Amino acid sequence: DVKVTQSSRYLVKRTGEKVFLECVQDMDHENMFWYRQDPGLGLRLIYFSYDVKMKEKGDIPEGYSVSREKKERFSLILESASTNQTSMYLCASRLSTGGFGNTIYFGEGSWLTVV
Amino acid sequence: AQKITQTQPGMFVQEKEAVTLDCTYDTSDQSYGLFWYKQPSSGEMIFLIYQGSYDEQNATEGRYSLNFQKARKSANLVISASQLGDSAMYFCAMREGPGNFNKFYFGSGTKLNVKP
Repeated sequence: DVKVTQSSRYLVKRTGEKVFLECVQDMDHENMFWYRQDPGLGLRLIYFSYDVKMKEKGDIPEGYSVSREKKERFSLILESASTNQTSMYLCASRLSTGGFGNTIYFGEGSWLTVV
Repeated sequence: AQKITQTQPGMFVQEKEAVTLDCTYDTSDQSYGLFWYKQPSSGEMIFLIYQGSYDEQNATEGRYSLNFQKARKSANLVISASQLGDSAMYFCAMREGPGNFNKFYFGSGTKLNVKP
């Protein structure tokens, strides 16, 4: 089974802090994603990485950056956390080869509260 | 413009009845994929069903079927014989983009409540 592990399930951070959300997948997937999920808005794509050291902005990249130095690890960074970044963050990964129907696999989510 | 639109924020269905969750999408790609996911209150995202843009038959997976109407750009999920365990959020998603460069877009979700 594919496993996508997010390092922290629940975090509480102060405004202005630098926050790191870590994600590791164990299936050698090329593609990795970071989404945030908010009620009524669904999942919105923050950043996408299609391979090591490659990244693309999603729909809401402002206030976030990412790092993908190794294939299995994709980190989301909030340079200076703000209260409007309080949300659930979901990491996902996907095998890019082998078929269009390959689904993405999600981690359990990280609930971030910025106070 | 929204890539994926789910117009039903919440729905109720009686146990054992069928229910249709609506999804429309927007893309100019010829090749794309459509997915449905279930998210129970525990938070994990569970893959349910997939439909490719070139698939002529509607996809089915057990009690789930996807009513794909390409001209209308709709990909509705049909759940037959609803069960109490089907109560959850349901998200429609679309994969677009060539080759390795695939992005996944999600709708705002529909919260389904199954009544006993």
